[in-house]
Amino acid sequence: DAGITQSPRHKVTETGTPVTLRCHQTENHRYMYWYRQDPGHGLRLIHYSYGVKDTDKGEVSDGYSVSRSKTEDFLLTLESATSSQTSVYFCAIKGSSYNEQFFGPGTRLTVL
Amino acid sequence: SQQGEEDPQALSIQEGENATMNCSYKTSINNLQWYRQNSGRGLVHLILIRSNEREKHSGRLRVTLDTSKKSSSLLITASRAADTASYFCATDAYSGGGADGLTFGKGTHLIIQP
Repeated sequence: DAGITQSPRHKVTETGTPVTLRCHQTENHRYMYWYRQDPGHGLRLIHYSYGVKDTDKGEVSDGYSVSRSKTEDFLLTLESATSSQTSVYFCAIKGSSYNEQFFGPGTRLTVL
Repeated sequence: SQQGEEDPQALSIQEGENATMNCSYKTSINNLQWYRQNSGRGLVHLILIRSNEREKHSGRLRVTLDTSKKSSSLLITASRAADTASYFCATDAYSGGGADGLTFGKGTHLIIQP
């Protein structure tokens, strides 16, 4: 258990509404990641952070923004949710120097 | 785009048999990792093999890596019902000391029949 929690765990929202997902870690890890998982696609990287206020885009960043104002929290925001953003979202932290990652339990987001 | 592609997409075997799944990737890598995901849960890291290694063992897991063919295999020996899960390979293409995320394949769904 890498001490990673995600909130909320489930959310249903409507198209056009803003949504923020939270990832919280308790072990002072520098690197944090947001992935989305969709059937037939595996996991795809959305954004990642390499320190407080330091973030970068991943493969599928369009429509998403992130913020990291504290080491322990990494927020993912959908400014105006669309149905294509219905997915399961996973947060992860980097473990040792070889970049094995440890995942949170996931947030299931449904956009109607 | 996906870096890794697992094969087969689904595999069903009897308990006690060995399960082998394969992963192919496209670009040079720093290391390759395997993860397990039980239904509705997060991913769990199983094993990591670096690009300069050819084989690695961990308990009932054996991983091989062939960088010339850009492929890896995961062998689970003496399978158990609890091994039923989806298995993903993930590649780390960054070797500069940072960590800009992993690239995952689509996974192999393994079912162990009692």
